[in-house]
Amino acid sequence: KAGVTQTPRYLIKTRGQQVTLSCSPISGHRSVSWYQQTPGQGLQFLFEYFSETQRNKGNFPGRFSGRQFSNSRSEMNVSTLELGDSALYLCASSLEWNPGPYNEQFFGPGTRLTVL
Amino acid sequence: GQQLNQSPQSMFIQEGEDVSMNCTSSSIFNTWLWYKQDPGEGPVLLIALYKAGELTSNGRLTAQFGITRKDSFLNISASIPSDVGIYFCAGRNYGGSQGNLIFGKGTKLSVKP
Repeated sequence: KAGVTQTPRYLIKTRGQQVTLSCSPISGHRSVSWYQQTPGQGLQFLFEYFSETQRNKGNFPGRFSGRQFSNSRSEMNVSTLELGDSALYLCASSLEWNPGPYNEQFFGPGTRLTVL
Repeated sequence: GQQLNQSPQSMFIQEGEDVSMNCTSSSIFNTWLWYKQDPGEGPVLLIALYKAGELTSNGRLTAQFGITRKDSFLNISASIPSDVGIYFCAGRNYGGSQGNLIFGKGTKLSVKP
């Protein structure tokens, strides 16, 4: 079974631009979560989607948004990019939205975003 | 808010050595997870613990859910070069969302020169 895939793997943007990242979950997984990983802050939760609905949101500004499609694929968007948005953005999928045994997350390889 | 302290921040190993790392929380968790992240990749789930006192192994890796429910330990026996990477603990004290998982800052395992 293929793992979580994320595209693109690397991205360079300039301040003020906007960016869209894509995530395809493991086949059959219906919950998708997004994380931002930086050396200083570590792994921080952005949001979680299940059945095309945002179920939970982390403490990030409104410039960060996401959506999920009917095939469970998800995209996240960052508008008006700032230097501090440079990070590894990780997508994770799980079978269902309620975590627990047999329903933990599997992470993708991430998208490395550099904002100049 | 909840905090997870993971230690050590970094350590150097020589092939064959045993390795220990731990995480402590300011509050009680009902789930502890241990992940490993290789450079350029996402975290991979190594071990999941769901009961206080639980001891679970995955090959040379053994993790324990502390009795107080505020800590967890990961041991690697007879380390090999491919053990190098960053190990993260993560804890959760209630379900409802994957977003309720809190991550430690990681322990970076490197090879001794």
